[in-house]
Parts: sequence; structure tokens; C-alpha cells
Amino acid sequence: DSGVTQTPKHLITATGQRVTLRCSPRSGDLSVYWYQQSLDQGLQFLIQYYNGEERAKGNILERFSAQQFPDLHSELNLSSLELGDSALYFCASSVQGQTKETQYFGPGTRLLVL
Amino acid sequence: GESVGLHLPTLSVQEGDNSIINCAYSNSASDYFIWYKQESGKGPQFIIDIRSNMDKRQGQRVTVLLNKTVKHLSLQIAATQPGDSAVYFCAGRMDYGGSQGNLIFGKGTKLSVKP
Repeated sequence: DSGVTQTPKHLITATGQRVTLRCSPRSGDLSVYWYQQSLDQGLQFLIQYYNGEERAKGNILERFSAQQFPDLHSELNLSSLELGDSALYFCASSVQGQTKETQYFGPGTRLLVL
Repeated sequence: GESVGLHLPTLSVQEGDNSIINCAYSNSASDYFIWYKQESGKGPQFIIDIRSNMDKRQGQRVTVLLNKTVKHLSLQIAATQPGDSAVYFCAGRMDYGGSQGNLIFGKGTKLSVKP
């Protein structure tokens, strides 16, 4: 158990809908990262937050957004969902969000868009 | 562009044998590398990391080798056990000298351990 929690574990929704994925980092970690894992693209970095502020952006679509709250939990919002958004979404956390810190991954949210 | 890739999608080894999983990277600015293990239904789990100023780093039953000349790294697992069965990812990170640094993951190698 990494100490990172994610909810829900599974999510099934329809195209065009909007969903929110939630992540709680390990106790003491200030930085949160979001990743998307699909069969054809592998594990892709989406976005990073540090202490409530966006720090780095990866391959995140404009339909997706995220935020980190004062209690350090983070939410990833996916809107206007398409079939291709079906994937595993992982959250990871690290202490300070520095380049060479270990990132600890949560168990993921499996999203299925029908 | 930047990429991190694995040579083989699957690897099957006999229990007790040593396993070697290879990874190549394209960007010489990627000077920090990590190996993750992902078991079915779980998130990636950190195994070992290595910085570009090192050629080799050892952990418990695992060794990572880095060859910067040919931009190649490998993960060696000694005395492979059934519990080692998983998908192994290498990831490289650009060193921006500050707090930024996205992980670029390879596609993964599925390791199967035969009893």
C-alpha cells in the first residue's frame, strides 16, 4: 500500500458526460501528479500540482482539468467524454515535487466510457 | 522527440533464474531513470532509480545498469520469484534543474515467472 488513495475504483459513464476523479496524497506529500494509462499509449503524464498550484503540464487535453485543494487532495475533471478516454487514471504523490523524488502511485481509477 | 522504450514486450523466465529487462531512451537530457513494477490491478510501484552520474546501482535482488553511451539501461532481477511476475516500466525524467520533471514511461515488459 503506497499511502495514496483514489476514488472511485471503477467508473462507467457515457460519451459526452463529465466525471471527477479524486486523489488523496500520502501524508506529508505536497505534490500530486496525474497519469493516464491506456493500452495503446502506455502511461502518460497529464499534470502536476504542488501545494495547490499547477507546476507542470503534460499531455492533458483541454477537456480535462485538475486542481489541488488546501487539504492537498486533488481532483481530475474529465468532460465531454469520448470513447477514447477510457483508461486507467493514476494519481501519484511526492514530498516536494522535485525532479528526483520518488513518486508513489495510487491504485488507480478505471474509467469506461460507453 | 523524447521517448523511452523497452526492447521486448514479454519475458518468461524459470523460477530461480536471473531476469534482465532492457530499456532504451532517445533524449540524452534524460539523466534520471526509474524502474517501476506494476502488478495486475495495482498502480506502479517504485523499484529502483539511478542518476546519470552512476553506471550501476543495486537494491535488494535488483540491479540497474546505465550505459549513457548507447542510451540504454537494464533491470536485473536475481533469483526471480513468482511474486516478481508483473509489468515492468522504465521511466526517464528530464532534469530541468528545478522542480519540474515529467516522467516519460516506456510501454512496459511483462515478466512471467514459471514455477
